[in-house]
Amino acid sequence: DAGVIQSPRHEVTEMGQEVTLRCKPISGHNSLFWYRQTMMRGLELLIYFNNNVPIDDSGMPEDRFSAKMPNASFSTLKIQPSEPRDSAVYFCASSLITGVTEAFFGQGTRLTVV
Amino acid sequence: GENVEQHPSTLSVQEGDSAVIKCTYSDSASNYFPWYKQELGKRPQLIIDIRSNVGEKKDQRIAVTLNKTAKHFSLHITETQPEDSAVYFCATTTGNQFYFGTGTSLTVIP
Repeated sequence: DAGVIQSPRHEVTEMGQEVTLRCKPISGHNSLFWYRQTMMRGLELLIYFNNNVPIDDSGMPEDRFSAKMPNASFSTLKIQPSEPRDSAVYFCASSLITGVTEAFFGQGTRLTVV
Repeated sequence: GENVEQHPSTLSVQEGDSAVIKCTYSDSASNYFPWYKQELGKRPQLIIDIRSNVGEKKDQRIAVTLNKTAKHFSLHITETQPEDSAVYFCATTTGNQFYFGTGTSLTVIP
């Protein structure tokens, strides 16, 4: 398996533009997590899905952020409109739903909003 | 929700010395405790984990100890090498939600 695949690896966009980050979890994994990493706040959980259903989105900063998981092999995180303070590395991770196995991280998307 | 605290935030050791990173958590239902290593510009990757029915686990130079009564667990790295320099994150899981500590930046000085 190629692991968790995220795209794009880097994204530079202007303030106000819509940004869509994509994630393909490991085949067979039924939990998917979106994290944001910054120097100031470390790894923050934004939202996670079990069996494609959003379970906890309390970490989503505000209504500008939305996430979907239309099927077991694909998820998106959208920011609209983007702001400079959204600049960060966004990681997607997947795991089995048992809760006692590791989460595998994708390579991350480095987002820069100018 | 779960509260995971990690100390220290930065740690410098001489090559060959040991490094210890400690984490505490609040939810007694937490039952899985992984440790991740993140090298600069890369993704976090699991280096060792421990489940709630075990008190200690070792893998070569790395060991993790768990005290469920006191709700704390620690990472021990012996005979440190320059390639151990990275950011280390502890985590707990409750249900299957992962809660991460704030990270420890370890520098091994040659």
